[in-house]
Amino acid sequence: DTAVSQTPKYLVTQMGNDKSIKCEQNLGHDTMYWYKQDSKKFLKIMFSYNNKELIINETVPNRFSPKSPDKAHLNLHINSLELGDSAVYFCASSQDNSGANVLTFGAGSRLTVL
Amino acid sequence: KNEVEQSPQNLTAQEGEFITINCSYSVGISALHWLQQHPGGGIVSLFMLSSGKKKHGRLIATINIQEKHSSLHITASHPRDSAVYICAVTNTGNQFYFGTGTSLTVIP
Repeated sequence: DTAVSQTPKYLVTQMGNDKSIKCEQNLGHDTMYWYKQDSKKFLKIMFSYNNKELIINETVPNRFSPKSPDKAHLNLHINSLELGDSAVYFCASSQDNSGANVLTFGAGSRLTVL
Repeated sequence: KNEVEQSPQNLTAQEGEFITINCSYSVGISALHWLQQHPGGGIVSLFMLSSGKKKHGRLIATINIQEKHSSLHITASHPRDSAVYICAVTNTGNQFYFGTGTSLTVIP
C-alpha cells in the first residue's frame, strides 16, 4: 500500500497547455509538500501545506497553483506550461510542520514540455 | 552561496571501502535530513537527526550542531549503495534548504 502516491508518473505535453499532478498520502500526516527537481538534480521546495492551509510558498510563478481539498491530498495545477517547467516534481509528507519529522516522498512525476 | 554545501560532489569507491559524505550548513536548524535518490529516481529518507549520531545497518549519520556540520558514513560499501545522497536542513519555520547532492558510484 503506497504511502505517498503521485499521478501521473510521466506527463508529456505541449507549451501553453494546462496540466495537473495529483498527490495523496495515507499516512495520516498533517503536512504535505511539492518539490521541483531540475535537470541538474537540484531539489527545491515549492509549496508546503499544513492541514489544508498554505504554509510555505516559495518564489514560484503564479501559473503554479496548489490545491489541498483535505489534508491527505495536495494537487498541483500548472497553467500555460513553459519549456522551463520540464522537471521531476516530487510530493512528500511529514507528521507536522515543525521541521523535525521524517519526510516520506512520492515516486515523482516527470513532466516534459515540448 | 547555497545554505547547504555538500562534499564531494562525485565519489567513486571500490566495493568494501568506507565512505564519508560531508554536509555543512549556514542556517539555524531544527533538523538535518539525509536522503537517498537511486538511479530510478525515487527519494528515500535515510536519517533525520538534530543531535548526536544515528545508525541504521551499514549507514551512520552524525551531526555537530556547534560546527554546523554533518557526515554520512557507509561501511563496507556495496554497488547497491550507488545513488545520489542529498543533505537537507529544516528550520523552526519548516523552511527547507537542500544540498546539491553527492553522486556515489561503488564499483564491484
